[in-house]
Amino acid sequence: KAGVTQTPRYLIKTRGQQVTLSCSPISGHRSVSWYQQTPGQGLQFLFEYFSETQRNKGNFPGRFSGRQFSNSRSEMNVSTLELGDSALYLCASSLAQNEQFFGPGTRLTVL
Amino acid sequence: DQQVKQNSPSLSVQEGRISILNCDYTNSMFDYFLWYKKYPAEGPTFLISISSIKDKNEDGRFTVFLNKSAKHLSLHIVPSQPGDSAVYFCAASAVYGGSQGNLIFGKGTKLSVKP
Repeated sequence: KAGVTQTPRYLIKTRGQQVTLSCSPISGHRSVSWYQQTPGQGLQFLFEYFSETQRNKGNFPGRFSGRQFSNSRSEMNVSTLELGDSALYLCASSLAQNEQFFGPGTRLTVL
Repeated sequence: DQQVKQNSPSLSVQEGRISILNCDYTNSMFDYFLWYKKYPAEGPTFLISISSIKDKNEDGRFTVFLNKSAKHLSLHIVPSQPGDSAVYFCAASAVYGGSQGNLIFGKGTKLSVKP
C-alpha cells in the first residue's frame, strides 16, 4: 500500500507570496493532519480534516488554511508569506483514532 | 507551556546495550501516547503506541512503559543497534476528548548508538 505523499518536496518563495501544498493520504484513510516543524518550536499541529470538514485547529494565524477533497486528498495554503514561515510542513493520515502516518514533508523556504 | 516534555535533547549508548528515552506530560486528558523516529529530511516514522488503559506495550526490541500517576512514559530499545540512531519524538493525544487528529509532540531526543 502506498504511503502518504506530499508535493512539492521543496519550495522557495519570497515574502508576501502565497503557497499551496498538497497531501495524498494512504488509501482508505479519511483523517489528514498538518504539522509545521521548525528547529525552535519542534512539531506543531496546524489542523486536521476528516471527511472534508476541519475537525481540529492549532494555534496558527488565519493566513494558514486548508481543505480536504472528497477523495481525502488535502491541501494547505499559506498566504502573505513571512520569513518565519520557513519550515518543514508535514502531512499525516490515519484510519481512525489510531496512529498517524507521516509523509516526507515539504521544505518551504521564504526569502 | 509545553504539554509534552522530553528533557534530554541527546542520548548516547553503546551498541547492544539498552536505550531508555523518557517523556513527561502535564495534561491529564491525554489518553493515547506514541513514539516516532525521525531521520533528517524525512517525515516521522511511527514506532509504537500505548493507550492509557495499559501500562506496557511491546513490539520486538521496542517497549513503551506508561506511569499515569507520574505522567511519565519511557521507550526502551533492547538491544540498541547503530541503525536506531535518529531523533525520537514522544507524542500524545486526547482521543476520547475529540482531539484524536491533534498530536502534541515533545521536542525530541537525538539517540546515537555507537558501534
